[in-house]
Amino acid sequence: SQTIHQWPATLVQPVGSPLSLECTVEGTSNPNLYWYRQAAGRGLQLLFYSVGIGQISSEVPQNLSASRPQDRQFILSSKKLLLSDSGFYLCAWNRDSTNYGYTFGSGTRLTVV
Amino acid sequence: AQTVTQSQPEMSVQEAETVTLSCTYDTSESDYYLFWYKQPPSRQMILVIRQEAYKQQNATENRFSVNFQKAAKSFSLKISDSQLGDAAMYFCAYRSESNTGKLIFGQGTTLQVKP
Repeated sequence: SQTIHQWPATLVQPVGSPLSLECTVEGTSNPNLYWYRQAAGRGLQLLFYSVGIGQISSEVPQNLSASRPQDRQFILSSKKLLLSDSGFYLCAWNRDSTNYGYTFGSGTRLTVV
Repeated sequence: AQTVTQSQPEMSVQEAETVTLSCTYDTSESDYYLFWYKQPPSRQMILVIRQEAYKQQNATENRFSVNFQKAAKSFSLKISDSQLGDAAMYFCAYRSESNTGKLIFGQGTTLQVKP
């Protein structure tokens, strides 16, 4: 069966520090991968998605970047965090050409102080 | 671009009763998929139910059912026999049939279940 792992679960970082959040999927190959951000009490905003290794599409201009160095690994990064980067980050995957929704990771709560 | 709107920020229901959460969407596509996700306090996103746009029959999963009105671009969720564990934020989502498979979410509805 397929599983998705996301870490860390919580993170407190000072302004100006770097960020690296990691997401890995097991039990499938060539998944579509997504990074979402959820502000407190709000909906989910798509940040990045990837349909293959090295293929990254950005949905909104921001202080963050994403990379996909391996088929089942998706990394969200920042060189210098801003206060506005605080939020709940969710990684998700789905299989191309299916009518199934996403499977989500358990999320990372990031607080920038 | 597609948009999803949930006009009810908060709803409440008495335990064992029925509640309906509203969702409308805007798209020019004819084939797509619609979903309802549940996000409990743990913040884990859980798929509740899905609907293919080409199917006229409304999807049902146990106590959860949808009222899909394609012409009106409406996709409401009905929860029957509400339970305390149903308390959560519910998100309506739209997925294009394109290969990127991006899910577009509504703003969410917080459901409170009263004992």
